[in-house]
Parts: sequence; structure tokens; C-alpha cells
Amino acid sequence: GAVVSQHPSWVICKSGTSVKIECRSLDFQATTMFWYRQFPKQSLMLMATSNEGSKATYEQGVEKDKFLINHASLTLSTLTVTSAHPEDSSFYICSARVQQQETQYFGPGTRLLVL
Amino acid sequence: QKEVEQNSGPLSVPEGAIASLNCTYSDRGSQSFFWYRQYSGKSPELIMSIYSNGDKEDGRFTAQLNKASQYVSLLIRDSQPSDSATYLCAVGGGRGTALIFGKGTTLSVSS
Repeated sequence: GAVVSQHPSWVICKSGTSVKIECRSLDFQATTMFWYRQFPKQSLMLMATSNEGSKATYEQGVEKDKFLINHASLTLSTLTVTSAHPEDSSFYICSARVQQQETQYFGPGTRLLVL
Repeated sequence: QKEVEQNSGPLSVPEGAIASLNCTYSDRGSQSFFWYRQYSGKSPELIMSIYSNGDKEDGRFTAQLNKASQYVSLLIRDSQPSDSATYLCAVGGGRGTALIFGKGTTLSVSS
């Protein structure tokens, strides 16, 4: 149980385009999902917390207009990187949590390369 | 600000030895503790969770919690080269917030 999927696993795009990443909890309902970014050989960095049916909470320094998060259902959250630039190239990982539990289950991640 | 500290390593152990990974946390009120393993280029995967003082064993893994001293440890018995990875300690942030992660300890098991 507790499987989280992400799609796509790899994406290459041109600078200035937008990219949408999906995060799905496959066998449980996730009232809260989290989005992380990780640069090579660096630690996880929490970008935002996404609660179903409400606006996401962004961490300090993360531009909410650039990283759009939508948590429209209990099994799906999406992250859209708008007007992507080469510095946005990174490994984006989502995690999901069951209500009233603190355990976070991670998706396999999406590797974004902006040319 | 709540913090979780880990020695970055690398921690090098020979195959078959016991690997000991340690973690300290700053918030004395923390109630839940987790160990994740992250292979290079992959996302973290949950190894164990622990909530009460003492030891919790799962196969070759043993998590140890000491709330009075505010530390958590992970012991890996009979270490294998496939255990080579970065191990992340995480502490519950409470009030619906995300887990607070340490920066991880890199373990290298040599055959």
C-alpha cells in the first residue's frame, strides 16, 4: 500500500514554456501533498504544502506565481512550472500523507531539464 | 526553528559490519520519527518509523529513540553493498506541517 506516482518521470522543454507535473496517490486518499525540489548532491527542499480543496502554502523564497499548485481531488495534485528557465532544471518530488498521520510517502520524482 | 541534524558522512563500513547512523533534533515536543533511504538519482523511500522510546526492529534494521536525549539512530546489521545510499532522518513537524528532514548521511558499504 501507500503508493504515489508521478508523471512524467522525465521532461525536457524549451526556455519560456510551461510544464505540468502530476502527483497521484494510487491506493489511499491524500488530504495533504507536498512538493520538493532537489538539486544534484543537495538535500531535499520543501517548496509547498498542498491541501485538497484549498490554496497551497508556499515556503519562503518560492514564487507562487511561478510554481502553480492545484490539489483538486484527494488523489491528485499538480505542479505547473510556468515560463521555465534553465535554472528551474531540477528533480521535483512529491509526497503524500494520509489525514491525521505524519508519515509521508514519496513519488518517484520528475526530472526537469530546461534548455 | 525546528532542526534535525545528521553527520553528512560519508560513513564507510565493510560488508557484513553494523552501520550506525545518528540523528539529533531540536524540538523536545516531537512525537514521530522516521528514517528514509535515498539512492542516488531516486526519491526517498520509507524504511522505518518510531514513536516510542526504545528499539524497534525490522529485519536487518533497528531504529532507536531516546526522547530525553533528543536523538534517533538507525542500525543496519550485516551491511550489504546494496545498502549504500543516503539515509534521511525525519521528525514530525506537528500541526499538519511537513516532516522536518535532516540533510542525510551517506553510507558506503564496501565488498
